[in-house]
Amino acid sequence: AQSVTQPDIHITVSEGASLELRCNYSYGATPYLFWYVQSPGQGLQLLLKYFSGDTLVQGIKGFEAEFKRSQSSFNLRKPSVHWSDAAEYFCAVGGNTDKLIFGTGTRLQVFP
Amino acid sequence: DVKVTQSSRYLVKRTGEKVFLECVQDMDHENMFWYRQDPGLGLRLIYFSYDVKMKEKGDIPEGYSVSREKKERFSLILESASTNQTSMYLCASSSGGTPADGYTFGSGTRLTVV
Repeated sequence: AQSVTQPDIHITVSEGASLELRCNYSYGATPYLFWYVQSPGQGLQLLLKYFSGDTLVQGIKGFEAEFKRSQSSFNLRKPSVHWSDAAEYFCAVGGNTDKLIFGTGTRLQVFP
Repeated sequence: DVKVTQSSRYLVKRTGEKVFLECVQDMDHENMFWYRQDPGLGLRLIYFSYDVKMKEKGDIPEGYSVSREKKERFSLILESASTNQTSMYLCASSSGGTPADGYTFGSGTRLTVV
């Protein structure tokens, strides 16, 4: 079955600390992988995506993610978190059908 | 700037009312989607459409219907609103073919059914 797992429901970090949000997927074919961010009361904004090539992809707002096929993972990272990064983050996977499957999200809280 | 616009940010409706949630995109996208978002459950797909007058059920279509009479507009209809349909509703669109570009989302409609 196709699925996306975000094992961390809620993460708290201090401003300036590094961040890693985990995402594991189960998908039968070559996946298209995405990270989205949702600020409170807003829709989802695309942070970055991967579908081929270099397994380390750069996104907006200083985020990056690494695709590891052997681990079926696509973890999101940021070297130094800013207070404005507090939001909910969603990982998603898709394929040829263009229907994305979303994880349940990770809520990030940033302490000053 | 490309946009997906949802007509209402907040709605309060009474149980039993027929509710229309409107979504318009200006990107000439073929595909449109309706999700509901609830705490701890993430995004759940209600209905989607790959073309005008075409619709397909998602994972939780019960109690909902949709209409796509024009390419740019995708409406979600709650035939008889119930309190368990209180939720955030998100509309999204994408270009046809592979999902390489991902989805563009609207800002959401927070619906409260009382």
